[in-house]
Amino acid sequence: GESVGLHLPTLSVQEGDNSIINCAYSNSASDYFIWYKQESGKGPQFIIDIRSNMDKRQGQRVTVLLNKTVKHLSLQIAATQPGDSAVYFCAEGWGYSTLTFGKGTMLLVSP
Amino acid sequence: KAGVTQTPRYLIKTRGQQVTLSCSPISGHRSVSWYQQTPGQGLQFLFEYFSETQRNKGNFPGRFSGRQFSNSRSEMNVSTLELGDSALYLCASSALGQGKKKKNIQYFGAGTRLSVL
Repeated sequence: GESVGLHLPTLSVQEGDNSIINCAYSNSASDYFIWYKQESGKGPQFIIDIRSNMDKRQGQRVTVLLNKTVKHLSLQIAATQPGDSAVYFCAEGWGYSTLTFGKGTMLLVSP
Repeated sequence: KAGVTQTPRYLIKTRGQQVTLSCSPISGHRSVSWYQQTPGQGLQFLFEYFSETQRNKGNFPGRFSGRQFSNSRSEMNVSTLELGDSALYLCASSALGQGKKKKNIQYFGAGTRLSVL
């Protein structure tokens, strides 16, 4: 499918490495944050979310870190695999408000 | 549970025509949102419907419209197509207002790829 990754920052890693994808958010009032993964030709897929009253949350092979002091969010992927190659978006939300999405980062995993 | 379903997957239209895209949300979800995705602009919010009412609207011209039916299925329409409307149109549903978690987590469909010639 057509790429959504043009003009995006790109992170290139080797298979087996740990990957860290960063996101700066804008609204200090946001009370939750979400990471999405979008593979070529597909829609964004929910990965994990974190509440603003937490600074860390772990999922399967992924960890989200939240630093509210500098409004920074990161997604760590352990033992990155070729199937992790995709564009990763962060999103911020407040209650039932419309989500605000970041521009995304392309992750390229080479075997 | 089936995910969000969008039809058609691909469309080719010419300038001046109109197009209707369809979205079936996850069963039980009453909120449906539409987004336009282009390489240059990223994900841009079009509008959101909840229980057949437009709840939020993004900054798009009136040529872009939508509606939601009583079964939560939604359609969006673009009239008088322009070349710049070529994009991936994504639909997302959310369990908004259900349960105790006050979050608007969006679950996306695969999108409709619209090409305007």
